[in-house]
Amino acid sequence: GAGVSQSPRYKVAKRGQDVALRCDPISGHVSLFWYQQALGQGPEFLTYFQNEAQLDKSGLPSDRFFAERPEGSVSTLKIQRTQQEDSAVYLCASSPGVNTEAFFGQGTRLTVV
Amino acid sequence: RKEVEQDPGPFNVPEGATVAFNCTYSNSASQSFFWYRQDCRKEPKLLMSVYSSGNEDGRFTAQLNRASQYISLLIRDSKLSDSATYLCVVRGSNYKLTFGKGTLLTVNP
Repeated sequence: GAGVSQSPRYKVAKRGQDVALRCDPISGHVSLFWYQQALGQGPEFLTYFQNEAQLDKSGLPSDRFFAERPEGSVSTLKIQRTQQEDSAVYLCASSPGVNTEAFFGQGTRLTVV
Repeated sequence: RKEVEQDPGPFNVPEGATVAFNCTYSNSASQSFFWYRQDCRKEPKLLMSVYSSGNEDGRFTAQLNRASQYISLLIRDSKLSDSATYLCVVRGSNYKLTFGKGTLLTVNP
């Protein structure tokens, strides 16, 4: 596909369950970002990859959140022992370089019940 | 204080109106500035970059005042299709994009 693809689009998890969210960036894009967007808020930065290197994970809210991009393309955001406050839309974005336009995927809407 | 602050909104305007969005940022080292548009339940999409000299794209005009750390977006002759949330976005000396909370615009017939 031409754009950033995220899966699943919707995920309902029971509190305490682990979830894994997938991001397929645009082919060849060096930079990959994860953002969290709560209802009525702007996206909040979670983490950044340059190729396979995770250069910044300062936005991850707790050690229950873990992200990886082992081969420098597909990325997975894992949330362990989900809590209700984790309910949000998780957005992935990629860009061709470091300071170039970022293209967002449609997001994964996570609801923790 | 949040890094990027926007008018809280929401804005409700009739078709054809002119509407202005304002934004301030706290990090004086910020280097790049943008307006993104986000439709309901969709992803954010780049509307336009903002330059110090000001820039225009059709009905949209963006301005940047670095001294005041202030960014604006003006939409003239608003259309129904302009209804969306407008996000002010700032990039620092690194790669990170920092978003404002967004301002919801509804253009009414």
